[in-house]
Amino acid sequence: QKEVEQDPGPLSVPEGAIVSLNCTYSNSAFQYFMWYRQYSRKGPELLMYTYSSGNKEDGRFTAQVDKSSKYISLFIRDSQPSDSATYLCAMSSRKTSYDKVIFGPGTSLSVIP
Amino acid sequence: DAGVTQSPTHLIKTRGQQVTLRCSPKSGHDTVSWYQQALGQGPQFIFQYYEEEERQRGNFPDRFSGHQFPNYSSELNVNALLLGDSALYLCASSYGGVGVLGKNQPQHFGDGTRLSIL
Repeated sequence: QKEVEQDPGPLSVPEGAIVSLNCTYSNSAFQYFMWYRQYSRKGPELLMYTYSSGNKEDGRFTAQVDKSSKYISLFIRDSQPSDSATYLCAMSSRKTSYDKVIFGPGTSLSVIP
Repeated sequence: DAGVTQSPTHLIKTRGQQVTLRCSPKSGHDTVSWYQQALGQGPQFIFQYYEEEERQRGNFPDRFSGHQFPNYSSELNVNALLLGDSALYLCASSYGGVGVLGKNQPQHFGDGTRLSIL
């Protein structure tokens, strides 16, 4: 079993839809959870960064963490064609600042005008 | 404020050759991590450098080595290239100490070097 699993998609939605992206993980030591957006031929861009369980909102984006279920989600409201990209979840235990970050394989999202 | 910069953008090599990739971290960052991203996959951690030393390593062979300079910039070296080394190589930087927002700041990525092995 991989440490971080993510549905690769592709996911296609109409403009304005609410998008739900999800990851599951197996390592209960993970405490820091991140979502990155990656456009074609570009590096990952940090979208959201949360610690432990709970919700965090930033504009049209909401990140949720449920540590009891080992499940994290990213919601995108009022999706736009510019949101079309690959979304990567990432996490680390960060017991120290040395800990490496583990990424999911990414979900490809297309928002159709 | 310049972000993470990587060079070159693209490289084409043949099997058995050696390659060096370069990274300059974001201003204020002192820690550099390298990742390999195969097509359709998430980035895989190679190693991390802090204070000019490798302090953590992922599951990559010794053909992969690196270096960090006093100005925090870093190089990734790969020897005896294999076809399977073809990938996007990403550099990420972060602050390894206690920052304004506290410890454990997230990493910021460059746009990578796309390495093709023929």
